[in-house]
Amino acid sequence: GAGVSQSPSNKVTEKGKDVELRCDPISGHTALYWYRQSLGQGLEFLIYFQGNSAPDKSGLPSDRFSAERTGGSVSTLTIQRTQQEDSAVYLCASSLRLAGHYEQYFGPGTRLTVT
Amino acid sequence: AQTVTQSQPEMSVQEAETVTLSCTYDTSESDYYLFWYKQPPSRQMILVIRQEAYKQQNATENRFSVNFQKAAKSFSLKISDSQLGDAAMYFCAYLTASKLTFGTGTRLQVTL
Repeated sequence: GAGVSQSPSNKVTEKGKDVELRCDPISGHTALYWYRQSLGQGLEFLIYFQGNSAPDKSGLPSDRFSAERTGGSVSTLTIQRTQQEDSAVYLCASSLRLAGHYEQYFGPGTRLTVT
Repeated sequence: AQTVTQSQPEMSVQEAETVTLSCTYDTSESDYYLFWYKQPPSRQMILVIRQEAYKQQNATENRFSVNFQKAAKSFSLKISDSQLGDAAMYFCAYLTASKLTFGTGTRLQVTL
């Protein structure tokens, strides 16, 4: 079946503008994750959604970052008043999170550049 | 807090040879999962192999195998018969509860 998809693939924005990044998880996956990968770095956890439970927002770096997941499927990560340090690749992943199926499958990411 | 350490920023291997990438982690948990992910220039994170902490047997996936030493908190990846397509960043990752914690990665070059 189809993998995790993300849009846009690349986004260039001016400092101070808001941006929205979209993630479509694998159908049937109940868990959805957002990560940030700065240039040459590993992945930094941002937020985690699991079914109808309250999301784990412990990785969000500031209150300019927020995310929602509608209908238990598509998710949007919003960054308000973007700063240059927000420039990074934002990766989304989904998972079944059933016994024996905890691996996360990643989308291709959105490269965000703040000028 | 869990940490994952990859002490080799870059490695190089000749085609058809074997290479081992190192990973250590720090945790107080007893139940967790470990993964190796590959990230080629396309930036797509691809799952290479996984290991459940409760399993003593080392995981194997074709040319990829791990050496999991739970007491030493070590989880190395061995790539046999290396191919040009194996060239990529390799990330070790630790999963417990809801989060994957990643190492900083090892860039693998494959030479002719």
